[in-house]
Amino acid sequence: GIQVEQSPPDLILQEGANSTLRCNFSDSVNNLQWFHQNPWGQLINLFYIPSGTKQNGRLSATTVATERYSLLYISSSQTTDSGVYFCAVSNFGNEKLTFGTGTRLTIIP
Amino acid sequence: NAGVTQTPKFRVLKTGQSMTLLCAQDMNHEYMYWYRQDPGMGLRLIHYSVGEGTTAKGEVPDGYNVSRLKKQNFLLGLESAAPSQTSVYFCASRPGTPKNEQFFGPGTRLTVL
Repeated sequence: GIQVEQSPPDLILQEGANSTLRCNFSDSVNNLQWFHQNPWGQLINLFYIPSGTKQNGRLSATTVATERYSLLYISSSQTTDSGVYFCAVSNFGNEKLTFGTGTRLTIIP
Repeated sequence: NAGVTQTPKFRVLKTGQSMTLLCAQDMNHEYMYWYRQDPGMGLRLIHYSVGEGTTAKGEVPDGYNVSRLKKQNFLLGLESAAPSQTSVYFCASRPGTPKNEQFFGPGTRLTVL
């Protein structure tokens, strides 16, 4: 099956810093989603981005499908950005989302 | 619009007991999913449904059964709970093609003693 690797596994930053999270995947995809799992365990949809670039406030994401990677950018980090960020993909003819192991982001005040 | 809701939020079972987790969505989505999340890991697909009256096995289906009698509801059953089924269970749904973005419920934390 498709493999998903996320880097870095852990990231600790001061409030106000910027960060880039990476997701590499091993095959063509028809779905790529970024999620934020907050400290209470809720999974928040950030982006649906099988290709291209999107922005939502301080967050933006880019997927380069031909090179099989996606990047999530967080600017001017806030303590509420802390949590685990997951990338998940699915490919054609496969219903399941395959999740990476996540990047744990900790923002220090 | 409540989105995807799950009942209950928490449950503790003894080995061998049975229970049913309920997922409901009010977005008229065709597809529904049950995932489990174990510590330090991403989610893994248990079962899914592509429409009312249909179900299919996912990646880790053993020990679970599902039913989709109504379009808005997807039930996950554990007939004889085992400690290995201690996990957080997430339900998700999505509309039909072409956009296949999945939307997740808040999760159910299950402990089997």
